[in-house]
Amino acid sequence: DVKVTQSSRYLVKRTGEKVFLECVQDMDHENMFWYRQDPGLGLRLIYFSYDVKMKEKGDIPEGYSVSREKKERFSLILESASTNQTSMYLCASSRQGSRNIQYFGAGTRLSVL
Amino acid sequence: AQRVTQPEKLLSVFKGAPVELKCNYSYSGSPELFWYVQYSRQRLQLLLRHISRESIKGFTADLNKGETSFHLKKPFAQEEDSAMYYCALGPGANNLFFGTGTRLTVIP
Repeated sequence: DVKVTQSSRYLVKRTGEKVFLECVQDMDHENMFWYRQDPGLGLRLIYFSYDVKMKEKGDIPEGYSVSREKKERFSLILESASTNQTSMYLCASSRQGSRNIQYFGAGTRLSVL
Repeated sequence: AQRVTQPEKLLSVFKGAPVELKCNYSYSGSPELFWYVQYSRQRLQLLLRHISRESIKGFTADLNKGETSFHLKKPFAQEEDSAMYYCALGPGANNLFFGTGTRLTVIP
């Protein structure tokens, strides 16, 4: 069974702090994704990666960066957190040949005060 | 540009009644459509995709290219169907594009 683990379930940070959200998958998937989930807006893709050290911008990359140093780990970084980044963040992974069959983590609810 | 529209944010039906969650898409190429579901306190998961043409948990969805729709249907709703449902479009080699979701509540 595919397991996508997000390191924190809840995070509270202050404006201006640097924030790291970590995601690990155990199924040797090539693709990994970061989304934010907001009521009324659905899921929006922030960044994705299809290989180690590779990254591509999604639909809303502003204010975020990512890191993929190892195949199983994909980190989302908020360089200077702002209140409008308060949201639920979802990590997902998928196999190379089945990009759109994605397996999701439980989510990290981030509050920026 | 691709777009997915789920016109209903909230949908309530009685147990045993038929349910239909609407999804319309906009895409000029050959689409790949999915339904993802998130039950309370569970993670988002794939429910079904149009290419497999299967019934999952009693749900079916047919791709109608003429109407650009991919509505999710179930003839008899159950309480355990209460969840958030997202329609998603996966055009070609691009990534998934999600709709805004419909929260389904099945009333006992």
